[in-house]
Parts: sequence; structure tokens; C-alpha cells
Amino acid sequence: AQTVTQSQPEMSVQEAETVTLSCTYDTSESNYYLFWYKQPPSRQMILVIRQEAYKQQNATENRFSVNFQKAAKSFSLKISDSQLGDTAMYFCAFMKRRAAYGNKLVFGAGTILRVKS
Amino acid sequence: GAGVSQTPSNKVTEKGKYVELRCDPISGHTALYWYRQSLGQGPEFLIYFQGTGAADDSGLPNDRFFAVRPEGSVSTLKIQRTERGDSAVYLCASSPGLAGDTGELFFGEGSRLTVL
Repeated sequence: AQTVTQSQPEMSVQEAETVTLSCTYDTSESNYYLFWYKQPPSRQMILVIRQEAYKQQNATENRFSVNFQKAAKSFSLKISDSQLGDTAMYFCAFMKRRAAYGNKLVFGAGTILRVKS
Repeated sequence: GAGVSQTPSNKVTEKGKYVELRCDPISGHTALYWYRQSLGQGPEFLIYFQGTGAADDSGLPNDRFFAVRPEGSVSTLKIQRTERGDSAVYLCASSPGLAGDTGELFFGEGSRLTVL
């Protein structure tokens, strides 16, 4: 079974600064996806960024980027120029990539990020 | 609809009662998922539908939990004889379920269930 570990229950950052959230995972699969989802107080999960395991290049989406270390099974999220609207719970998630399996996500426990003005 | 819609947003019930939670996925999405999120935790998978059939129900905790999707669109999660430990936010998500699917799940805002 796959497991996802987020070792930082809470993080704080000053507005406009950079913060990195950590995630490690355990799997014997070779074909998979990794995700970071954001959950604001509204409870709706919103996709932040997605990484395909077979791609060596780290994914980037505007102010968000990842450091994907496949051998180490590490998948950290870097948020640059932090904004007050980035305050939320962030979840790292793993997905096996098999058509018949569906898009079943395994989530970590989450990291609460607070951006301070 | 434009997004995944879940009703009710909040539900308070007494121990032993029956509850139904409804999910209306994004139009055209054939895949639908239910997750349960306990306080301070990440969501845990309950069940996955492809069309009308439950393709994977391995996450349902016991036989008090049941879900249906009779017409391949709206889904209902049913919980019988509720217990205090069932208190959680129940999240629904959908995805296109097609070959071009990017793997992204689109979530609703969840139904918060409180069992007194």
C-alpha cells in the first residue's frame, strides 16, 4: 500500500517571502502521479500542481514549483512571493496511474500554512 | 453544473439515525469519488464509481455505509445507524474518466456530518 507523509503540521511565512512544504511517500509503483492540493476554509480542495513520475523536469505553475526527487521519494512544494490568499491547508497526494484503477488519491495528513502580513 | 455540488452543506443528526448525502458531479464526468475527512486529517478514500457501477468500494468502513449512482450522474452516500465516530466531512469529487484524463480530481465543498 502507498503512504504519504507530511512531517510539518504547521508552517508560517511572511507575506512576499518563500516557503517550502515537505512531503515523502512510499510506493513500489513506477507509474504514478503526485499532487499538491490546497484546502481553504471553504473546504473545497483545489489543485495547486501536478507531477508525472516519468518526467524528470520539476513542474511549475506561476509562483508554485516542486522539487521531485524520485529516488528519495520526496516531493516538496515551494511557494514564492507568498500572498495572504495562500493561507490554507496543503495536502500532498499520490495516485497510481492505471486506467482501470481510476484516479484514486492517497493523501498525507496536511500542513497548515499561515501567511502573515 | 459548473462545479461539483454537494448537499447538505451541514447535517446534524442523532446517534442511530439514517442519513443521505448527495453529490452532483461536473456534467459529463463519468468518474465519481467519495472521500471522508476527519478533523485535522487528510481525506480517506471510500468508493469510486465509473458510470453507474461501483468500480472500487474498498474504502467503505463497514456495511452501514452504502453509495449509489443509478443513472451515472448524481450519487448518494447512505449511512445507516449513525455513530459518533461517523462525524466528519464527506467530500465528493469527479473526473472525466476518459483516456485524456489528466488525473486531476474536481472536488465539491463537502458535507459536514455531526452525529450527537
